[in-house]
Amino acid sequence: DAGVIQSPRHEVTEMGQEVTLRCKPISGHDYLFWYRQTMMRGLELLIYFNNNVPIDDSGMPEDRFSAKMPNASFSTLKIQPSEPRDSAVYFCASSLAGAWDGYTFGSGTRLTVV
Amino acid sequence: ILNVEQSPQSLHVQEGDSTNFTCSFPSSNFYALHWYRWETAKSPEALFVMTLNGDEKKKGRISATLNTKEGYSYLYIKGSQPEDSATYLCAFSPTLGRLYFGRGTQLTVWP
Repeated sequence: DAGVIQSPRHEVTEMGQEVTLRCKPISGHDYLFWYRQTMMRGLELLIYFNNNVPIDDSGMPEDRFSAKMPNASFSTLKIQPSEPRDSAVYFCASSLAGAWDGYTFGSGTRLTVV
Repeated sequence: ILNVEQSPQSLHVQEGDSTNFTCSFPSSNFYALHWYRWETAKSPEALFVMTLNGDEKKKGRISATLNTKEGYSYLYIKGSQPEDSATYLCAFSPTLGRLYFGRGTQLTVWP
């Protein structure tokens, strides 16, 4: 298996632009998670899906952030409009059985908003 | 937001030394405790998932213990090697889906 695949690896965008991050989980994993990593807050959960359904989005910072999982093999995290404080590394992870199972993380997307 | 505390924040040891780190988490509503290893410029990799009080897990020279009643877990590395240098993350889960990560212990092993 190729693991969890995220794209792009790096994204530099101007403030106010829309940004879309993409994730392909491991086939057969029922859980998908979006995390954000910053120096200030460490790794924090933004949202997670179970069987393509959003279960907990309480970590999504504000309405500018949205996430979708249209099918079992693809998810997007969108920021519109982007702001400099959104600059961070965004990780996608998947798991076979939620917290019963270790998470497999993607390589992350380093987002810089200028 | 639940508090997951890890100590020490960083640790420098000589090759061959044995070392251990601590993770503290809320002792109520326990579901699972994870340990991850995170090397620079890579992604976190799962080491252990523990779900029962008294659990002990081992992978090579690395082992972990769990005490859910008092809310702590220890990670041990026996005979540290330079390739063990990484940040070790602990994560606590009070439910099936959410994992709350600590800030990690950064280990450097000098040859």
